[in-house]
Amino acid sequence: NAGVTQTPKFQVLKTGQSMTLQCAQDMNHNSMYWYRQDPGMGLRLIYYSASEGTTDKGEVPNGYNVSRLNKREFSLRLESAAPSQTSVYFCASSEMKGYYGYTFGSGTRLTVV
Amino acid sequence: GQSLEQPSEVTAVEGAIVQINCTYQTSGFYGLSWYQQHDGGAPTFLSYNALDGLEETGRFSSFLSRSDSYGYLLLQELQMKDSASYFCAVRRIDNFNKFYFGSGTKLNVKP
Repeated sequence: NAGVTQTPKFQVLKTGQSMTLQCAQDMNHNSMYWYRQDPGMGLRLIYYSASEGTTDKGEVPNGYNVSRLNKREFSLRLESAAPSQTSVYFCASSEMKGYYGYTFGSGTRLTVV
Repeated sequence: GQSLEQPSEVTAVEGAIVQINCTYQTSGFYGLSWYQQHDGGAPTFLSYNALDGLEETGRFSSFLSRSDSYGYLLLQELQMKDSASYFCAVRRIDNFNKFYFGSGTKLNVKP
């Protein structure tokens, strides 16, 4: 029972490099999310996908792109990394019917130098 | 927009009861969630309130007052493992898919 799996767990990038964070869930959830968490702050929504084939911006989408590859997978891409994108990134999934809360992945700790 | 206010830090003794408050301002409020996050870990879902009143789940309870734009998480019989950060998050009626999180309350449980 894996839940939500994120890769990689840690990453160091140089300014200007690109990378893709991968996320997959095995709970057959329709909705998937990408959040970032900075020290002393709550989680801020970057992008979300309410269902397969749709994506929408959250609170802090600038500098990011997403792809909902299929119902299971939702990736986050940084095209040109900046030090301000140093953060912990969490992927989450949920089933809105009856609302049982988000299930989060274990996070990706990204440092941009 | 929306704003959520939580105390930044709370300290309590093992075995005691602690209440973590959350005051929110948002248009189209629909519901309030609570999450727990241990240091270095992922947030885990604790509870969700859409109606006024108290929801109890074991040692944890969550309360909502829609008229006061206020909720709280109540932790009873505190254990050392309850030391963690606790986040409230609001859901709005215009988009059920999104939750907006507060900045969190760090709970320190002392022996």
